[in-house]
Amino acid sequence: NAGVTQTPKFRVLKTGQSMTLLCAQDMNHEYMYWYRQDPGMGLRLIHYSVGEGTTAKGEVPDGYNVSRLKKQNFLLGLESAAPSQTSVYFCASSPPRRGDQPQHFGDGTRLSIL
Amino acid sequence: RKEVEQDPGPFNVPEGATVAFNCTYSNSASQSFFWYRQDCRKEPKLLMSVYSSGNEDGRFTAQLNRASQYISLLIRDSKLSDSATYLCVVRVSGGYNKLIFGAGTRLAVHP
Repeated sequence: NAGVTQTPKFRVLKTGQSMTLLCAQDMNHEYMYWYRQDPGMGLRLIHYSVGEGTTAKGEVPDGYNVSRLKKQNFLLGLESAAPSQTSVYFCASSPPRRGDQPQHFGDGTRLSIL
Repeated sequence: RKEVEQDPGPFNVPEGATVAFNCTYSNSASQSFFWYRQDCRKEPKLLMSVYSSGNEDGRFTAQLNRASQYISLLIRDSKLSDSATYLCVVRVSGGYNKLIFGAGTRLAVHP
């Protein structure tokens, strides 16, 4: 019963390096999301996807790109990492129906940019 | 002003105590309301939805006041295992199940 799986769990990068965070879900959910969580702040939405092949910007999209080539996967890319992107990143998924549909979260990726 | 505001705490309470958390939201188009629980260095998990009539799940009671744009969570008979951060979460109108998260209230239950 995997649910939402994120890889890697931890990563340290140097400023200017690039990397991709992978999110995979096995619940056949249409919607997927990438958030970042910083101390003293709520989770903030970076990008989201409402289906395979579609992506859209969230609240804090600058410096990030995403792709949803397969329904079960949602990739988050950092093109040129900056110290301000040091954070904990959470991926989530949910079904598309209206109502009280909870989002299901992965267990996070801790990213440090030096 | 943040869209969802919570007292950050920490709330330090002894086992068996009753503790209440409050939350206010600013978006009048908010449609659904939730409390999530987040353990240290873990992912958020849904604790309970919040309904206008108020709802209870065991030792947990949630209340919603739409007129005041106020949400509360009451925990009775606190357990050590209740120690966590409690996130107030609001779903707003939009086509993608958009959630707005409060920064959370930290609870520490001690023996």
